[in-house]
Amino acid sequence: QSVLTQPPSVSGAPGQRVTISCVGSNSNLGADSSVHWYQQFPGTPPKLLINTNNYRPSGVPDRFSGSKSGTSASLAITALQAEDEADYYCQSHDRSLNIYVFGSGTKVTVL
Amino acid sequence: EVQLVESGGGLIKPGGSLRLSCAASGFSFSTTWMSWVRQAPGKGLEWLANIKEDGTVKNYVASVKGRFTISRDNAENSLYLQMNSLRVEDTALYYCATDVGRGAADHWGQGTLVTVSS
Repeated sequence: QSVLTQPPSVSGAPGQRVTISCVGSNSNLGADSSVHWYQQFPGTPPKLLINTNNYRPSGVPDRFSGSKSGTSASLAITALQAEDEADYYCQSHDRSLNIYVFGSGTKVTVL
Repeated sequence: EVQLVESGGGLIKPGGSLRLSCAASGFSFSTTWMSWVRQAPGKGLEWLANIKEDGTVKNYVASVKGRFTISRDNAENSLYLQMNSLRVEDTALYYCATDVGRGAADHWGQGTLVTVSS
């Protein structure tokens, strides 16, 4: 069972906005630890999508945005496109375990 | 261009050992924290371990602590993962990744597959 909980799946029609939640605890997100987000397509390694809560690495479209509040974080995808269909993972540092942890992952389906 | 190339995976019996390698190029390896992450077939990502630039600090997830050892050779631009006492549940694709700060993995290799089975 992951320390960071994500919904198994979210879906939306092209052009819609979807959000993926990442729920942690006072030992990770609530302890002011940064959250990062990754996108992974089948058969390929993950790609860093959002760094340190809300920074987009070069080349990541501004349709992707991150936010964090208390013990939760969210990834929003606006103007959803077919090419956004992938698995998404959050990641943070857990101070009690002194390790980095990934969320359980969310599959985004474009209807 | 940053390149990370893992090798050393394969089929191994439970209780056996393997040493994974990750050859790095295209960036300053000796000034970069490095991590190992694995992904079991059809499952999510699991962070395993990381190592400081000079190798003096190492952190491990509980499930591999005492069995796996992360190390590096900055002269050879290489990262390693020595895996002992392998279990069936260690079957996964093992990735090495750079750590750009606070655990954010900004570059990943293609992974090397480890299968533990009798």
